[in-house]
Amino acid sequence: DAKTTQPPSMDCAEGRAANLPCNHSTISGNEYVYWYRQIHSQGPQYIIHGLKNNETNEMASLIITEDRKSSTLILPHATLRDTAVYYCIDAGYNNNDMRFGAGTRLTVKP
Amino acid sequence: KAGVTQTPRYLIKTRGQQVTLSCSPISGHRSVSWYQQTPGQGLQFLFEYFSETQRNKGNFPGRFSGRQFSNSRSEMNVSTLELGDSALYLCASSWGQWGEKLFFGSGTQLSVL
Repeated sequence: DAKTTQPPSMDCAEGRAANLPCNHSTISGNEYVYWYRQIHSQGPQYIIHGLKNNETNEMASLIITEDRKSSTLILPHATLRDTAVYYCIDAGYNNNDMRFGAGTRLTVKP
Repeated sequence: KAGVTQTPRYLIKTRGQQVTLSCSPISGHRSVSWYQQTPGQGLQFLFEYFSETQRNKGNFPGRFSGRQFSNSRSEMNVSTLELGDSALYLCASSWGQWGEKLFFGSGTQLSVL
């Protein structure tokens, strides 16, 4: 079963920042926070992951609270192609055993 | 660099039959994981293979099995198919180390009639 909690859906205006929240109430010290997204009928695509510090890459930024119980994925300038289901997962040593929840369906609107 | 390749892309079977799905990981990756995705249950972990050994297993009946070959390619088999086995089956590969990302294939869409 999934260990994270996400809102089922969110909307965002094209060109604006999309901020997707996630609660990791049972995360343990050696577990990473991962974010993936899935566009209809395709396999999930890796976005970003982190352990304690905030992270940034070419796709997004990841903000992790100090107690690590919540994280926020930030897409700085959302485009229509960012419309997808976004999953946050915390996983430890067996990080290939990803427990996906229902995710957040992000709709970017023109 | 080629991505994760799954074959076939689509498959139609009837109840009671068995099916074998194939996954070729990214070159150099030693871990292959399998997932089942349905509209009702979402993405669920089936099992993971690392260096030809099953390293982790999800909560699926014994009708679901898999194996991994020495070249890291993996197959999963479902015997005695049921209507509820209709799903998108995804595989993902990685080097199998802690704290790394998974690369997913596009999946095999299985329909059981």
